[in-house]
Amino acid sequence: QVQLIQSGAEVKMPGSSVKVSCKASGDTFSNYAINWVRQAPGQGLEWMGGIIPSVGVPNYARKFQGRVTFTADKSTSTAYLELRSLRSEDTAVYYCARGHIVYDFSSFHFWGRGTLVTVSS
Amino acid sequence: EIVLTQSPGTLSLSPGERATLSCRASQTVSSNYVAWYQQKPGQAPRLLIYGASSRATGVPDRFSGSGSGTDFTLTISSLEPEDFAVYHCQQYGRSPLTFGGGTKVEIK
Repeated sequence: QVQLIQSGAEVKMPGSSVKVSCKASGDTFSNYAINWVRQAPGQGLEWMGGIIPSVGVPNYARKFQGRVTFTADKSTSTAYLELRSLRSEDTAVYYCARGHIVYDFSSFHFWGRGTLVTVSS
Repeated sequence: EIVLTQSPGTLSLSPGERATLSCRASQTVSSNYVAWYQQKPGQAPRLLIYGASSRATGVPDRFSGSGSGTDFTLTISSLEPEDFAVYHCQQYGRSPLTFGGGTKVEIK
């Protein structure tokens, strides 16, 4: 069974950066897209983009380009999201999610439990 | 980008009743690449339906999806107590992948 284990909650100052990790187990890591989805308090889901570890080229949603970086470490089956220049509107739960089709950004069959990032002075 | 509009925003129903949730896309979704997710408070979303009508592993058959083009529907044939939650639709036919605003199914 595929499991996605995310890092713990973070509290950050405005203007700083945060790095969230997502460790995968139970299946081949490299060929499936790891997507990042965020949810602000009381709001809907927002896709930030994703990365297929074996390909290594991230796919960023336009809204986040220039402020976010996705990376993947195949040796540890771990994906990372780094978000820079944090502002209060970035306060949200950040989820990693994976599809079931290799080399494709498809529906999200597996989800991490989420990482709460709070941006506050 | 493809904008998804879900309606109604809130659906108030009793256990045993039928729930019909709508998801309308601003453009045709290629290959009917629409998914539906259920989310309960404090939990991650759970995939129910993908490809507009295929049930994900372990999803009860009271959940069904239908539709094509720009109009998609999630139907819960007879609500169980555990079905009261928020439901999100998503399109993954074109990047950026997008979600609808969600429909809350609450107990009447």
